Amino acid sequence: AAGVIQSPRHLIKEKRETATLKCYPIPRHDTVYWYQQGPGQDPQFLISFYEKMQSDKGSIPDRFSAQQFSDYHSELNMSSLELGDSALYFCASSLILTTGGNTIYFGEGSWLTVV
Amino acid sequence: QKEVEQDPGPLSVPEGAIVSLNCTYSNSAFQYFMWYRQYSRKGPELLMYTYSSGNKEDGRFTAQVDKSSKYISLFIRDSQPSDSATYLCATNTNSGGSNYTLTFGKGTLLTVNP
Repeated sequence: AAGVIQSPRHLIKEKRETATLKCYPIPRHDTVYWYQQGPGQDPQFLISFYEKMQSDKGSIPDRFSAQQFSDYHSELNMSSLELGDSALYFCASSLILTTGGNTIYFGEGSWLTVV
Repeated sequence: QKEVEQDPGPLSVPEGAIVSLNCTYSNSAFQYFMWYRQYSRKGPELLMYTYSSGNKEDGRFTAQVDKSSKYISLFIRDSQPSDSATYLCATNTNSGGSNYTLTFGKGTLLTVNP
């Protein structure tokens, strides 16, 4: 079965540079989420999109922005990178179930290292 | 205090042991409960999903939810070395419209020794 696809898998950037991460959700999933996971930490919610509109916002820094495009892929743009931005960035997508809940599936993550 | 509390471990067991992983949550609005397995530097993999109190079984895995005490558990029978990973409990609720943001526990690092 198709999974959530993220690119690039690994990225090294210098401080103050800009990075863009891409996410292709599971086909027919209508919601995309972005999470940040630091070393030894649980994933922290950044932002989500439902049907290409921002639906919820978590602890996303003002230096970061994201959008979802007409083909449902999403991009996370990170500017003025700081050392503390080094983390695994996960994209996830979900499908709302008949029970009213949803199951959220994660991609393999993009590992960002800021040097 | 985090909304979802989980003992980070680490937890080390011999192969074949029964493993019990637990979480508590504070927000009674949480409706849906999940367990994810995460191998090092990999994405979290959905293991179990439930939305009601009681037990749900899938192979060697059993998820248990007690909404009255806000307690969720994952049991692994006949544990295998390949089960060695970090296990994250997660809950979500509808925060409006179609929003179902996940709230994770810290994760428990499990090692199953052959």
